[in-house]
Amino acid sequence: QQQVKQSPQSLIVQKGGISIINCAYENTAFDYFPWYQQFPGKGPALLIAIRPDVSEKKEGRFTISFNKSAKQFSLHIMDSQPGDSATYFCAANPGNTGKLIFGQGTTLQVKP
Amino acid sequence: DGGITQSPKYLFRKEGQNVTLSCEQNLNHDAMYWYRQDPGQGLRLIYYSQIVNDFQKGDIAEGYSVSREKKESFPLTVTSAQKNPTAFYLCASRSKGNTGELFFGEGSRLTVL
Repeated sequence: QQQVKQSPQSLIVQKGGISIINCAYENTAFDYFPWYQQFPGKGPALLIAIRPDVSEKKEGRFTISFNKSAKQFSLHIMDSQPGDSATYFCAANPGNTGKLIFGQGTTLQVKP
Repeated sequence: DGGITQSPKYLFRKEGQNVTLSCEQNLNHDAMYWYRQDPGQGLRLIYYSQIVNDFQKGDIAEGYSVSREKKESFPLTVTSAQKNPTAFYLCASRSKGNTGELFFGEGSRLTVL
């Protein structure tokens, strides 16, 4: 199954709080799991990515947690800031074609 | 600066007209992609090309056409056969290798009047 399911669709968090976005997949051949951040009217930009041989990756306030057995991965944004307000997409890569399969997106609003 | 340039940023079209969206990259990337973005549906792949003079259909290719005559350029034509063309179109490119990282342009918003 070539799908990535993302939740929630929208999220409101207070400044300083933790934002958590979840994704689930079914195809065990996926070998690369990036998260993209998109601001209104702009193209998505790579935020952070993980491979399935690692359970967690942290870059600054952003952390990916990966559960291979459950086929789930999540993005955690610590100390969320109003500047983090954007749409976030998870994705999965089925091999070396770069044909990323994207989740439906989560619109995050961080309130001051 | 290296990057991906999409034009036009906004485009209006009457029903029955074909339109072509431009995508140019100076990143020396081999692979290029076109995605369509609709609210609540994520990004869906229209066409992709891994080398010059070769391209493959993505998940929603019907009503679209592409060409890849130069490494730097991957234009997308939205034909009159596309029943619901109003959307945000994103072009992306990727270098060789297995990172899967895509670099995106800033998009073209097409509105059919």
